[in-house]
Amino acid sequence: NAGVTQTPKFRILKIGQSMTLQCTQDMNHNYMYWYRQDPGMGLKLIYYSVGAGITDKGEVPNGYNVSRSTTEDFPLRLELAAPSQTSVYFCASSYSFQGGYEQYFGPGTRLTVT
Amino acid sequence: AQSVSQHNHHVILSEAASLELGCNYSYGGTVNLFWYVQYPGQHLQLLLKYFSGDPLVKGIKGFEAEFIKSKFSFNLRKPSVQWSDTAEYFCAVTSYGGSQGNLIFGKGTKLSVKP
Repeated sequence: NAGVTQTPKFRILKIGQSMTLQCTQDMNHNYMYWYRQDPGMGLKLIYYSVGAGITDKGEVPNGYNVSRSTTEDFPLRLELAAPSQTSVYFCASSYSFQGGYEQYFGPGTRLTVT
Repeated sequence: AQSVSQHNHHVILSEAASLELGCNYSYGGTVNLFWYVQYPGQHLQLLLKYFSGDPLVKGIKGFEAEFIKSKFSFNLRKPSVQWSDTAEYFCAVTSYGGSQGNLIFGKGTKLSVKP
């Protein structure tokens, strides 16, 4: 049982490039989330999904897109990378959204945009 | 909007000292409360959580937290810290009901424990 896995671990992008951050969970969780973590700012929710085919915006969705075609996978897409998107990105999953069940986090992707 | 405040940005302690990290939230309804820990270079892991019942909850590695509803607080404590407790600690809250319930994180408190 691998839990939540993310690839890549590190990536450097040039301004204007695009990329997809991959996230996979093997716990059969319905709910999945993408956060970004900036120094001294805690975690901010980018997008979340309550099940395959259903996604919604979080607090900071601009510049990102997501899709959820399967229960296991929840990729995050950056279309036109900007320096402001330099951050550490964490994917998480949980059994339930309402009721505040524990979220399980992946190891993170450190992204630098130059 | 809900928010979570962590009072200290960086706490430095010597080994065996006692620890208390403050956390206050702003939300008037029923809440679930969490403390997560992030060791250097690692992902977030759950330390403890409060859903209901006894307001004093015990977590892993000797940590505990007390939910005081009247003060909207959920402070984290440990009687005697170890060097291995050096990490960043995040308080988070989620709420029952509503159209958008999700984890709201505080900005984190970095704990450095001197051997």
